[in-house]
Amino acid sequence: NAGVTQTPKFRVLKTGQSMTLLCAQDMNHEYMYWYRQDPGMGLRLIHYSVGEGTTAKGEVPDGYNVSRLKKQNFLLGLESAAPSQTSVYFCASSYPPDRKFNQPQHFGDGTRLSIL
Amino acid sequence: GESVGLHLPTLSVQEGDNSIINCAYSNSASDYFIWYKQESGKGPQFIIDIRSNMDKRQGQRVTVLLNKTVKHLSLQIAATQPGDSAVYFCAEISGGSYIPTFGRGTSLIVHP
Repeated sequence: NAGVTQTPKFRVLKTGQSMTLLCAQDMNHEYMYWYRQDPGMGLRLIHYSVGEGTTAKGEVPDGYNVSRLKKQNFLLGLESAAPSQTSVYFCASSYPPDRKFNQPQHFGDGTRLSIL
Repeated sequence: GESVGLHLPTLSVQEGDNSIINCAYSNSASDYFIWYKQESGKGPQFIIDIRSNMDKRQGQRVTVLLNKTVKHLSLQIAATQPGDSAVYFCAEISGGSYIPTFGRGTSLIVHP
Protein backbone atom coordinates (compact mmCIF):
# COMPACT_ATOMS: atom_id res chain seq x y z
CA ASN A 1 0.00 0.00 0.00
CA ALA A 2 1.82 3.08 -1.27
CA GLY A 3 -0.39 5.71 0.44
CA VAL A 4 0.33 9.15 -0.99
CA THR A 5 2.97 9.34 -3.71
CA GLN A 6 4.45 12.58 -5.00
CA THR A 7 6.48 13.04 -8.15
CA PRO A 8 9.04 14.35 -8.75
CA LYS A 9 10.94 14.33 -5.45
CA PHE A 10 13.30 17.12 -6.48
CA ARG A 11 13.28 19.73 -9.19
CA VAL A 12 15.23 22.85 -10.09
CA LEU A 13 13.56 25.40 -12.34
CA LYS A 14 14.54 28.70 -13.84
CA THR A 15 12.37 31.75 -13.24
CA GLY A 16 9.50 31.80 -15.69
CA GLN A 17 9.47 28.08 -16.40
CA SER A 18 6.37 26.02 -15.80
CA MET A 19 5.92 22.60 -14.27
CA THR A 20 3.35 20.26 -12.78
CA LEU A 21 3.65 18.35 -9.53
CA LEU A 22 1.75 15.09 -9.37
CA CYS A 23 0.10 13.57 -6.32
CA ALA A 24 -1.45 10.13 -6.36
CA GLN A 25 -3.23 8.32 -3.51
CA ASP A 26 -4.45 4.75 -3.39
CA MET A 27 -6.62 5.00 -0.26
CA ASN A 28 -9.81 6.05 -2.06
CA HIS A 29 -9.81 9.35 -0.17
CA GLU A 30 -12.28 12.00 -1.22
CA TYR A 31 -10.30 14.98 -0.01
CA MET A 32 -6.89 16.04 -1.30
CA TYR A 33 -4.70 19.01 -0.40
CA TRP A 34 -1.55 20.80 -1.53
CA TYR A 35 0.63 22.54 1.05
CA ARG A 36 3.93 24.35 1.01
CA GLN A 37 6.36 24.25 3.88
CA ASP A 38 9.01 26.91 4.37
CA PRO A 39 11.74 27.00 7.04
CA GLY A 40 10.42 27.90 10.48
CA MET A 41 6.85 28.02 9.27
CA GLY A 42 4.00 25.62 9.50
CA LEU A 43 2.26 24.04 6.57
CA ARG A 44 0.35 26.54 4.46
CA LEU A 45 -2.55 25.39 2.34
CA ILE A 46 -2.35 26.27 -1.35
CA HIS A 47 -5.40 24.56 -2.85
CA TYR A 48 -7.61 21.65 -1.92
CA SER A 49 -10.27 19.42 -3.40
CA VAL A 50 -13.26 17.74 -1.79
CA GLY A 51 -13.93 15.45 -4.71
CA GLU A 52 -13.24 14.61 -8.32
CA GLY A 53 -13.75 17.64 -10.53
CA THR A 54 -13.78 20.15 -7.65
CA THR A 55 -11.05 22.47 -6.40
CA ALA A 56 -10.90 25.41 -3.99
CA LYS A 57 -8.37 28.03 -2.92
CA GLY A 58 -6.49 27.78 0.31
CA GLU A 59 -4.43 30.30 2.22
CA VAL A 60 -1.74 30.97 -0.42
CA PRO A 61 -3.19 30.15 -3.88
CA ASP A 62 -1.57 32.89 -5.98
CA GLY A 63 0.78 31.63 -8.68
CA TYR A 64 -0.59 28.08 -8.55
CA ASN A 65 -3.33 26.14 -10.29
CA VAL A 66 -4.70 22.69 -9.59
CA SER A 67 -6.79 20.02 -11.24
CA ARG A 68 -8.57 16.92 -9.94
CA LEU A 69 -9.64 15.04 -13.05
CA LYS A 70 -9.44 11.68 -11.34
CA LYS A 71 -10.27 10.88 -7.72
CA GLN A 72 -6.85 9.43 -7.05
CA ASN A 73 -4.80 12.27 -8.58
CA PHE A 74 -4.33 15.90 -7.67
CA LEU A 75 -2.06 18.04 -9.83
CA LEU A 76 -0.38 21.28 -8.80
CA GLY A 77 0.80 23.58 -11.56
CA LEU A 78 3.17 26.51 -11.60
CA GLU A 79 2.58 28.47 -14.79
CA SER A 80 5.50 30.89 -14.42
CA ALA A 81 7.80 29.93 -11.58
CA ALA A 82 9.18 32.64 -9.29
CA PRO A 83 12.01 32.43 -6.71
CA SER A 84 9.40 33.01 -3.97
CA GLN A 85 7.94 29.62 -4.86
CA THR A 86 11.09 27.83 -3.76
CA SER A 87 9.75 25.51 -1.10
CA VAL A 88 8.91 21.96 -0.15
CA TYR A 89 5.50 20.98 -1.42
CA PHE A 90 3.41 18.36 0.33
CA CYS A 91 0.31 16.63 -0.87
CA ALA A 92 -2.16 15.11 1.58
CA SER A 93 -5.40 13.19 1.40
CA SER A 94 -8.13 12.24 3.83
CA TYR A 95 -11.59 10.79 4.19
CA PRO A 96 -14.40 13.28 4.57
CA PRO A 97 -15.65 13.98 8.10
CA ASP A 98 -17.32 10.94 9.64
CA ARG A 99 -20.43 11.59 11.75
CA LYS A 100 -19.46 15.25 11.98
CA PHE A 101 -15.92 14.40 13.02
CA ASN A 102 -12.88 15.04 10.93
CA GLN A 103 -10.34 12.48 9.83
CA PRO A 104 -6.54 12.80 9.88
CA GLN A 105 -4.67 13.68 6.74
CA HIS A 106 -2.11 11.36 5.20
CA PHE A 107 0.89 13.04 3.63
CA GLY A 108 3.34 12.25 0.87
CA ASP A 109 7.08 12.73 1.33
CA GLY A 110 7.20 16.02 -0.52
CA THR A 111 8.65 17.62 -3.62
CA ARG A 112 11.64 19.87 -3.05
CA LEU A 113 11.45 22.67 -5.60
CA SER A 114 14.10 25.32 -6.19
CA ILE A 115 13.50 28.27 -8.49
CA LEU A 116 16.65 30.03 -9.67
CA GLY B 1 5.28 27.27 21.85
CA GLU B 2 5.70 29.51 18.85
CA SER B 3 8.84 29.71 16.78
CA VAL B 4 10.96 32.84 16.58
CA GLY B 5 12.21 33.67 13.12
CA LEU B 6 13.43 30.57 11.34
CA HIS B 7 14.15 28.60 14.49
CA LEU B 8 11.77 26.08 15.94
CA PRO B 9 11.46 25.55 19.68
CA THR B 10 13.70 22.65 20.63
CA LEU B 11 13.35 20.01 23.30
CA SER B 12 16.45 17.96 24.12
CA VAL B 13 16.08 14.81 26.19
CA GLN B 14 18.09 11.75 27.08
CA GLU B 15 17.13 8.36 25.76
CA GLY B 16 14.73 6.72 28.15
CA ASP B 17 13.32 9.96 29.52
CA ASN B 18 9.71 10.97 29.06
CA SER B 19 9.10 13.90 26.71
CA ILE B 20 6.31 16.45 26.80
CA ILE B 21 5.65 18.64 23.79
CA ASN B 22 3.16 21.46 24.14
CA CYS B 23 0.88 23.24 21.74
CA ALA B 24 -1.36 26.25 22.32
CA TYR B 25 -4.24 26.44 19.90
CA SER B 26 -6.12 29.55 18.97
CA ASN B 27 -9.68 28.70 18.03
CA SER B 28 -12.06 27.92 20.85
CA ALA B 29 -14.39 26.36 18.27
CA SER B 30 -11.81 23.72 17.34
CA ASP B 31 -13.10 20.26 18.14
CA TYR B 32 -10.55 17.93 16.60
CA PHE B 33 -6.82 17.88 17.22
CA ILE B 34 -4.02 15.90 15.65
CA TRP B 35 -0.36 15.37 16.42
CA TYR B 36 2.06 14.75 13.57
CA LYS B 37 5.69 13.66 13.51
CA GLN B 38 7.94 14.84 10.71
CA GLU B 39 11.34 13.27 10.25
CA SER B 40 13.99 14.98 8.18
CA GLY B 41 13.26 14.66 4.49
CA LYS B 42 9.88 13.04 5.07
CA GLY B 43 6.28 14.09 5.08
CA PRO B 44 4.28 14.54 8.30
CA GLN B 45 3.16 11.27 9.80
CA PHE B 46 -0.02 10.92 11.85
CA ILE B 47 0.66 9.96 15.48
CA ILE B 48 -2.53 10.38 17.45
CA ASP B 49 -5.70 12.43 17.47
CA ILE B 50 -8.25 13.54 20.02
CA ARG B 51 -11.74 14.94 19.81
CA SER B 52 -13.01 17.74 22.00
CA ASN B 53 -15.31 15.44 23.95
CA MET B 54 -12.24 13.82 25.49
CA ASP B 55 -9.42 15.20 27.62
CA LYS B 56 -6.98 12.31 27.30
CA ARG B 57 -6.20 9.64 24.80
CA GLN B 58 -3.45 7.04 24.84
CA GLY B 59 -1.62 5.23 22.11
CA GLN B 60 1.49 3.14 22.03
CA ARG B 61 4.02 5.10 24.15
CA VAL B 62 2.16 8.34 23.40
CA THR B 63 -0.54 10.21 25.29
CA VAL B 64 -2.34 13.34 24.19
CA LEU B 65 -3.89 15.65 26.76
CA LEU B 66 -6.42 18.33 25.90
CA ASN B 67 -7.26 21.26 28.16
CA LYS B 68 -10.05 23.20 26.50
CA THR B 69 -10.22 25.75 29.30
CA VAL B 70 -6.80 27.16 28.46
CA LYS B 71 -6.75 25.92 24.83
CA HIS B 72 -3.72 23.74 25.37
CA LEU B 73 -2.70 20.44 23.88
CA SER B 74 0.24 18.28 24.89
CA LEU B 75 1.92 15.17 23.56
CA GLN B 76 3.67 12.91 26.02
CA ILE B 77 6.14 10.33 24.74
CA ALA B 78 7.15 7.65 27.21
CA ALA B 79 10.66 6.18 27.27
CA THR B 80 11.85 8.39 24.43
CA GLN B 81 14.09 6.70 21.88
CA PRO B 82 16.56 8.13 19.34
CA GLY B 83 14.09 7.22 16.61
CA ASP B 84 11.66 9.70 18.15
CA SER B 85 13.93 12.58 17.09
CA ALA B 86 11.84 14.67 14.71
CA VAL B 87 9.72 17.79 14.46
CA TYR B 88 6.33 17.41 16.11
CA PHE B 89 3.44 19.68 15.36
CA CYS B 90 -0.17 19.89 16.25
CA ALA B 91 -3.13 20.66 14.05
CA GLU B 92 -6.60 21.86 14.97
CA ILE B 93 -9.85 21.73 13.04
CA SER B 94 -12.99 23.56 13.98
CA GLY B 95 -16.41 22.05 13.62
CA GLY B 96 -17.85 22.39 10.15
CA SER B 97 -14.45 22.78 8.52
CA TYR B 98 -12.15 20.15 7.11
CA ILE B 99 -9.18 22.45 6.78
CA PRO B 100 -6.69 22.02 9.63
CA THR B 101 -4.59 24.82 11.05
CA PHE B 102 -1.05 23.65 11.73
CA GLY B 103 1.31 24.88 14.39
CA ARG B 104 4.93 25.61 13.53
CA GLY B 105 6.29 22.64 15.39
CA THR B 106 8.76 21.66 18.07
CA SER B 107 12.03 19.91 17.33
CA LEU B 108 12.66 16.92 19.61
CA ILE B 109 16.28 15.80 19.94
CA VAL B 110 16.93 12.54 21.74
CA HIS B 111 20.46 11.96 22.93
CA PRO B 112 21.62 8.34 23.26
